Amino acid sequence: DAKTTQPNSMESNEEEPVHLPCNHSTISGTDYIHWYRQLPSQGPEYVIHGLTSNVNNRMASLAIAEDRKSSTLILHRATLRDAAVYYCILRPPGGGADGLTFGKGTHLIIQP
Amino acid sequence: EADIYQTPRYLVIGTGKKITLECSQTMGHDKMYWYQQDPGMELHLIHYSYGVNSTEKGDLSSESTVSRIRTEHFPLTLESARPSHTSQYLCASSEVDKGQPYEQYFGPGTRLTVT
Repeated sequence: DAKTTQPNSMESNEEEPVHLPCNHSTISGTDYIHWYRQLPSQGPEYVIHGLTSNVNNRMASLAIAEDRKSSTLILHRATLRDAAVYYCILRPPGGGADGLTFGKGTHLIIQP
Repeated sequence: EADIYQTPRYLVIGTGKKITLECSQTMGHDKMYWYQQDPGMELHLIHYSYGVNSTEKGDLSSESTVSRIRTEHFPLTLESARPSHTSQYLCASSEVDKGQPYEQYFGPGTRLTVT
């Protein structure tokens, strides 16, 4: 399976934008890029996903490099509630067990 | 906001007891999953289901069993709990993939402690 590489941790201040990078240099042409986050003592939460084009939703934006070898999750205005571990994963088109496999992710720390 | 519920949220039980962890979703999703996660560790898929009367084992071997009699309900049962079963159990659901992988929605989890 294609793997992703993320920084272990990042720190940001409240109400500032946060850019969380993810490298996936071995991504296949059909893999989707999904982002999840997990707040302390909670289940994972879907954030956003994309294939080729940049994507926006109410939680975040996803910027995908033209060669698809990297992507960036953008939180436009971080709050204390955004402190979590963020996981970037690659998922092939449908079928199969489709269990999510998270790496170590990026631990995002938000300073008040 | 995802509508997937798990009960109980916390359970402390003695060795040898039979337990059932409940999971329900109101989104009409056909696909449901059970994951196991120890604190600070990775998620492991232990069971999944494509729909009613479908159950499959996941990547991590588990002594638990599951059933899917109704679309919205996917309970997990341990016939005889042991201390090694102490963990967090997370239930999730998603639409069936139709050419692209859909997002999974997770419940809050059940933190099980077997003494």
